Amino acid sequence: EVQVVQSGPEVKKPGESLRISCKVSGYSFTTYWIGWVRQMPGKGLEWVGIIYPADSDTRYSPSFQGQVTISVDKSFNTAYLQWSRLRASDTAMYYCARSAVFSNPHYGMDVWGQGTAVTVSS
Amino acid sequence: DIQLTQSPSFLSASVGNRVTITCRASQGVGSFLTWYQQKPGKAPKLLISAASTLQSGVPSRFSGSGSGTEFTLIISGLQPEDFATYYCQQLNSYPFTFGGGTKVEIK
Repeated sequence: EVQVVQSGPEVKKPGESLRISCKVSGYSFTTYWIGWVRQMPGKGLEWVGIIYPADSDTRYSPSFQGQVTISVDKSFNTAYLQWSRLRASDTAMYYCARSAVFSNPHYGMDVWGQGTAVTVSS
Repeated sequence: DIQLTQSPSFLSASVGNRVTITCRASQGVGSFLTWYQQKPGKAPKLLISAASTLQSGVPSRFSGSGSGTEFTLIISGLQPEDFATYYCQQLNSYPFTFGGGTKVEIK
């Protein structure tokens, strides 16, 4: 069974760093893209970026470029989303998900993690 | 960036109704358009990819159509479990943007 499991909720202060994780199982990690999506409280979905674990080819939304870093550790079948300096405006639910098609990101995301709630408050 | 405009943003419908949601793109996206369903407190669920391909396990009352800049999601015979928010997403070019969502509520 394909599974995507995200790390637990985080409460941080502005200026702190954070890395959240997305661990997959049940398929070959390196052959499907992994994407990240933000959902601020009461708002819609926003595309953060996407990575291809085989070669770490990464694409970011301009809205998030320079604000976050997406990476993978193939040894642990895990993708990461990290911040070096959090802001209150980063408070949101963050989802990771797998591409629906082998090595192709253009057909949507079919298996989603449960989401990681990030709260940034002083 | 390609902007996606969904309409309506909110609709109230009864069980059994036929529901139509439209997604318009600011420029052509070919058929690289997907539809998701999201229920409160849950992750999105992929319903339709490539504009019209129903995902495995998704009821046949859901259908998608369109290409280029105009796309439609139809729910033929709304069921109680269909009350949710629906999002379109274009995956033709980076960044892969989402529409603003359509909330379907019980009338």
